[in-house]
Amino acid sequence: AQSVAQPEDQVNVAEGNPLTVKCTYSVSGNPYLFWYVQYPNRGLQFLLKYITGDNLVKGSYGFEAEFNKSQTSFHLKKPSALVSDSALYFCAVRDFASGGSYIPTFGRGTSLIVHP
Amino acid sequence: DGGITQSPKYLFRKEGQNVTLSCEQNLNHDAMYWYRQDPGQGLRLIYYSQIVNDFQKGDIAEGYSVSREKKESFPLTVTSAQKNPTAFYLCASSIFGTENTEAFFGQGTRLTVV
Repeated sequence: AQSVAQPEDQVNVAEGNPLTVKCTYSVSGNPYLFWYVQYPNRGLQFLLKYITGDNLVKGSYGFEAEFNKSQTSFHLKKPSALVSDSALYFCAVRDFASGGSYIPTFGRGTSLIVHP
Repeated sequence: DGGITQSPKYLFRKEGQNVTLSCEQNLNHDAMYWYRQDPGQGLRLIYYSQIVNDFQKGDIAEGYSVSREKKESFPLTVTSAQKNPTAFYLCASSIFGTENTEAFFGQGTRLTVV
């Protein structure tokens, strides 16, 4: 089974500082990895994904993610955090299921708190 | 605009009552999913459907039922057999049969037992 893990329940950072939200993965075959963001009482929004190619993937709202095959990691980063970045962040992979389906499978989520 | 619509946004259920959560998409996606979200537990898969008139149980299907009579619609019924239904429910859709495409989510329904 394909899976991802987010080792931190919460990350605190001061506004203007760089932020990192960690994710490690366990997949067989090619890793296709995703990051989503969830604001309070809302659905998840897609931020970015790694398919192949450059290890640094750029996404929405100034976020980027660094794919590291040797460390099996896919950490989400942003050079300068904003208070409005405070939200719940999910790393995800699509796990193979019967019938040719790939089920979106998520980490437990990391709460990012950006302090003014 | 293409997207997924969940309704209602808030729902209150009495003990022993069945309630149905609506999910409609106009993205022309074959695959649809229902997740349950509880604080600190991430998203857990309830049911998924790959095609009309077909659906499969996820990790926590007990006490829930679904139907997929139309491509656009995937309603979830929370039955009285679900002993702890208070949670945030999320519906999603995606292209079927691909590993590298993202899922699209509705805005969620918050269900509370009163």
